[in-house]
Amino acid sequence: KAGVTQTPRYLIKTRGQQVTLSCSPISGHRSVSWYQQTPGQGLQFLFEYFSETQRNKGNFPGRFSGRQFSNSRSEMNVSTLELGDSALYLCASSFDSGQETQYFGPGTRLLVL
Amino acid sequence: AQKITQTQPGMFVQEKEAVTLDCTYDTSDPSYGLFWYKQPSSGEMIFLIYQGSYDQQNATEGRYSLNFQKARKSANLVISASQLGDSAMYFCAMRETSRGAQKLVFGQGTRLTINP
Repeated sequence: KAGVTQTPRYLIKTRGQQVTLSCSPISGHRSVSWYQQTPGQGLQFLFEYFSETQRNKGNFPGRFSGRQFSNSRSEMNVSTLELGDSALYLCASSFDSGQETQYFGPGTRLLVL
Repeated sequence: AQKITQTQPGMFVQEKEAVTLDCTYDTSDPSYGLFWYKQPSSGEMIFLIYQGSYDQQNATEGRYSLNFQKARKSANLVISASQLGDSAMYFCAMRETSRGAQKLVFGQGTRLTINP
């Protein structure tokens, strides 16, 4: 069974631009979560989607948004990029939204110049 | 709020030795799950092992075992017979669940270096 895939793997943007990251979960998994990893703040939860609904949201500004499609694929969008948005963005999927292990993708490295 | 503490920023171990990575947690929930993930330099988070709060026995997965001491709120990862490929960042995480929604709360991580 294929693992979680994320595209693109690397991205360079400039301040003020917007970016969309994509995540395809493991087949059959309906819960998709997004995390931001930076050297200063570590790993922080962004949001979780389950059956096309946002079930949980972390403490991030409204510039960070996401959505989930009927096939469970998810996208996250960051508008008006800031230098501090440079990070590794990790997507994780699990079978259900309750007691299952989350499996992570390889991540998207975003650099904002 | 739940909190995970990993007090070892870095550890250096000789190949084939056993190594223990420390993790303490804080939660008021009676039901919780604890995870360990490995992150090589490539960035991908690799699931290693899981321990549920009601599990009676310590979890084991191959060379990985979890030393779960509930009263002390600790969940240390033990890697037996370390290998060069074990060099990576290791993260302890706790699952926080609210009305069906879940998220993982991570510690700051421990960078493990295995020396030949």
